[in-house]
This record gives sequence, C-alpha cells and structure tokens, in this order.
Amino acid sequence: DQQVKQNSPSLSVQEGRISILNCDYTNSMFDYFLWYKKYPAEGPTFLISISSIKDKNEDGRFTVFLNKSAKHLSLHIVPSQPGDSAVYFCAASDYNNNDMRFGAGTRLTVKP
Amino acid sequence: DARVTQTPRHKVTEMGQEVTMRCQPILGHNTVFWYRQTMMQGLELLAYFRNRAPLDDSGMPKDRFSAEMPDATLATLKIQPSEPRDSAVYFCASRRTGERETQYFGPGTRLLVL
Repeated sequence: DQQVKQNSPSLSVQEGRISILNCDYTNSMFDYFLWYKKYPAEGPTFLISISSIKDKNEDGRFTVFLNKSAKHLSLHIVPSQPGDSAVYFCAASDYNNNDMRFGAGTRLTVKP
Repeated sequence: DARVTQTPRHKVTEMGQEVTMRCQPILGHNTVFWYRQTMMQGLELLAYFRNRAPLDDSGMPKDRFSAEMPDATLATLKIQPSEPRDSAVYFCASRRTGERETQYFGPGTRLLVL
C-alpha cells in the first residue's frame, strides 16, 4: 500500500518562477519527512528534511512545509533554475520502524 | 568522497536466469537498504539490514528474491529465477544507525529481463 503519495507525476515551470511539489501521507506515525532529488542515471540525493515538531524548514531556495492535520507536505523552490530539473521524491519515516517510505516521484522540468 | 557503490550498473538477462546485484555501503554505515524503482510504484523498499542482520524484507517477493550481507562491506540481492516484471532499477542505500538524516544512495543497477 502506498503510504506516501505524490499525485502529480510531472510539473513544468518557467525559470525564475516558483515550483511547488506536493506530497500526502496516510500513516499518522510518520514523524520525519525528507525530499530527495534524482538526476537520470544517478541515485537519489538528499535535499531537505523536516521533523514533525516543525511546520517549516528553509534551506536557501528550498523550503519544505508540513501540515500535520492534513497529512500533507510541500516543497517550494524559489526561484526555479534549469538545473533543478530532476525527479523529486518525497519520503517519510516512523522513528520506531526506522525505515523509510517513498512516493512515486514528481518529474520537474524548469524551462529557460 | 565516500560513496555507495553498486555493481553491475546494467544487466540484461533472459527470463529464468539468476541475477545477482552487489552493493558496497559507505564505510562505517551499518544500516543498508535495497529499493526498487519502477514507473508505477516509484521507490519501493525491498529489504533492509542493520549490523548485517535482516530487519525487514516484507517488501520482497520471497519465492524468488533473497538479500544477504556476507560481511559489513558487501550486500547482495539475488533474483532466481528472474522474470520480465523484475525489470527495474535497483538501488542500494546506507546510513549510520540512529541517524535520522539522509540515506546515501548508490547509482543503481538497471535490470532488464527479456
């Protein structure tokens, strides 16, 4: 069963604009959330994370927002750059289980 | 620059053949994960180990898949017999125990079963 869902398989934005990638989860035990970025022919690389005790975490152009009541998180990229074009995976973990569940990914294309 | 390494990077085989994929985790990382990436399911967790002991392999088809860690520097994922539906990219990842931060992924093995 898909405990982490990314309902948009793709997103296309213009360079300089904001990219918003969304993620929903169903397991209320998840308490730690991450975003990974993946380029073709490479493994995913860690981008940014957020603990359930926070509702926002910012790192440069990247901000992750967490809405626990809605079981929803989003990744904002501002401003978007062509080099941001990649597949973005949302992931969540339950501290007790110590493993991690991933969404299906969203392919972001940033057009020059 | 410590990295997770995986071999082979690409594998083409015929249905029914055995496939073995190998992973060398980052030195000092004692938690190792195997994932499979497909178009429909995204990244599926197949199995993971801590200190070489399997903790969870519920994501793996037991009849044909097996995962082991013969030693701390090597993790293997075997498929026997392979089927066309096994075609996917298989990733290995590692991290330190207790670390809530990132897993470090290898480059993946792209498997095609004809």
